[in-house]
Amino acid sequence: SQQGEEDPQALSIQEGENATMNCSYKTSINNLQWYRQNSGRGLVHLILIRSNEREKHSGRLRVTLDTSKKSSSLLITASRAADTASYFCAPRGYSTLTFGKGTMLLVSP
Amino acid sequence: DTGVSQNPRHKITKRGQNVTFRCDPISEHNRLYWYRQTLGQGPEFLTYFQNEAQLEKSRLLSDRFSAERPKGSFSTLEIQRTEQGDSAMYLCASSDGQNYGYTFGSGTRLTVV
Repeated sequence: SQQGEEDPQALSIQEGENATMNCSYKTSINNLQWYRQNSGRGLVHLILIRSNEREKHSGRLRVTLDTSKKSSSLLITASRAADTASYFCAPRGYSTLTFGKGTMLLVSP
Repeated sequence: DTGVSQNPRHKITKRGQNVTFRCDPISEHNRLYWYRQTLGQGPEFLTYFQNEAQLEKSRLLSDRFSAERPKGSFSTLEIQRTEQGDSAMYLCASSDGQNYGYTFGSGTRLTVV
């Protein structure tokens, strides 16, 4: 299965701290994508990293990809209360995206 | 273009009734996807269209579920003879190709009573 597995399942931090979420997967991929979902809403695409890339930045987001270990990490720096959401990784092979259960991030003021 | 639009936002129906949801994707996107999400879970893939062709269907899509995308524009998802287990958020997404992310709509929340 291409489904990613996020770790930890839940993460609670204070505003200003950094948040790191990890993703593991089992098959070869073309790219890996991260999404955010606020409660009761649709998912929002955050960042896509291709299989030949090792690191990518977008604003306060930093994503790494290690294809030899079949793992990725998402770092959110200087977190804000508005970052409170569920975060999903989606490894993309030749099929449609599948999602794990996500990491629920709570950022307290 | 304001993104992916889903209607209705909420639907309450009695068990056994039929329901239909609509999704209007981003107009330039030729790929359209339907997902279902229950509380505490990630979205589960249901079906995928490229233009008007339905190219992939999940085993989750029982014979009570049918999806269409006439003319390769908007899509509808119909559930016949609804059951309480169909209660979920139904999400639609569109994309422009394999190396691009998906744009999701806000979803239709179905409650079967």
